[in-house]
Amino acid sequence: QQQVKQSPQSLIVQKGGISIINCAYENTAFDYFPWYQQFPGKGPALLIAIRPDVSEKKEGRFTISFNKSAKQFSLHIMDSQPGDSATYFCAASTGANNLFFGTGTRLTVIP
Amino acid sequence: DVKVTQSSRYLVKRTGEKVFLECVQDMDHENMFWYRQDPGLGLRLIYFSYDVKMKEKGDIPEGYSVSREKKERFSLILESASTNQTSMYLCASSFYGQGSWPQHFGDGTRLSIL
Repeated sequence: QQQVKQSPQSLIVQKGGISIINCAYENTAFDYFPWYQQFPGKGPALLIAIRPDVSEKKEGRFTISFNKSAKQFSLHIMDSQPGDSATYFCAASTGANNLFFGTGTRLTVIP
Repeated sequence: DVKVTQSSRYLVKRTGEKVFLECVQDMDHENMFWYRQDPGLGLRLIYFSYDVKMKEKGDIPEGYSVSREKKERFSLILESASTNQTSMYLCASSFYGQGSWPQHFGDGTRLSIL
């Protein structure tokens, strides 16, 4: 059973647009929610992460929005660029060191 | 920069062979992990280890075993490879302890079982 559900599976956005990827979870014990970015031929790399005591975290053009009551969190990429084209994974953990990953979203930013 | 190195980028093996995938990290991390990545399924944890000679099963351990004889090295073993084990295998490492530490990934080994 997928512990973290991610949507959409793929996303096409025009350059300069906003990319939004959503994730949902059921386990209320999760206390760490990272997003990973993966380029073709590379391993995933940590992009940004949030804990449930804050509702939003922003790093440059990347923002995580977190809704604890709805058990949902999302990644927003503002001013999307062709270089942002990659696969994005949300994940969650209980602080017990092992992560549960979503199924991934392949983002394509069209110039 | 943390470096996680997987010994092979591509590997082709035959059904029934014993297959070894090697991973080395250079950051003195306590935790090491093996995942497999399949389209539409994301990353699924096979095994992880939080110390030398220690191992814990992940979500899909069947058909796999692991070995951690040294802190920096974590090996994944396919005891008798089968075609359904054709996949991308990713190794990761992280610190262990209070709080949540980011996992650092290698670039993967694409394994084909014929």
